[in-house]
Amino acid sequence: AQRVTQPEKLLSVFKGAPVELKCNYSYSGSPELFWYVQYSRQRLQLLLRHISRESIKGFTADLNKGETSFHLKKPFAQEEDSAMYYCASPYNFNKFYFGSGTKLNVKP
Amino acid sequence: DVKVTQSSRYLVKRTGEKVFLECVQDMDHENMFWYRQDPGLGLRLIYFSYDVKMKEKGDIPEGYSVSREKKERFSLILESASTNQTSMYLCASRGPRGETQYFGPGTRLLVL
Repeated sequence: AQRVTQPEKLLSVFKGAPVELKCNYSYSGSPELFWYVQYSRQRLQLLLRHISRESIKGFTADLNKGETSFHLKKPFAQEEDSAMYYCASPYNFNKFYFGSGTKLNVKP
Repeated sequence: DVKVTQSSRYLVKRTGEKVFLECVQDMDHENMFWYRQDPGLGLRLIYFSYDVKMKEKGDIPEGYSVSREKKERFSLILESASTNQTSMYLCASRGPRGETQYFGPGTRLLVL
């Protein structure tokens, strides 16, 4: 089964600094990868997916098959980016596997 | 916009009680899911359903059962609640392959 790992439980950066949230997957083939975000007291929601190759709220993520990674990046962090971030990938079509999550704290 | 609702935001139950958590989605999605969310463990899949009356076990089904009698509604049942089932429970629904999951607001369950 595909597994997704997020090695950092907590990431603290200052406002305006670059941020990178790491995600690694274990899968041979063409994975389907997502980043979800959960702001304080809000529901979990999609941030971006690799298949659409889009930038949402200044965040991007590139699938690196050589390193089996899908790291989430933003060049200049904002305080409103403080949230819990989850990397996720479906296996067996419907069984999504979520990483353990990284809490991003952007300090003023 | 897809809307996924859960019947309760907070629940307090006693050990041994039978607990029902209800989830409703309004987008005619075939696929629905129940997760529990615990700090440091992320989201873990309990059960999912890909059609009415169809269900499959996720990664942690022990102590839980589910019911899907109508397409829009997916219920999670704790037959005999235990303290280790204290958690945040998230429901989600998903459309066709490649689409994201849409999550409900969650039910925080405390079992005393």
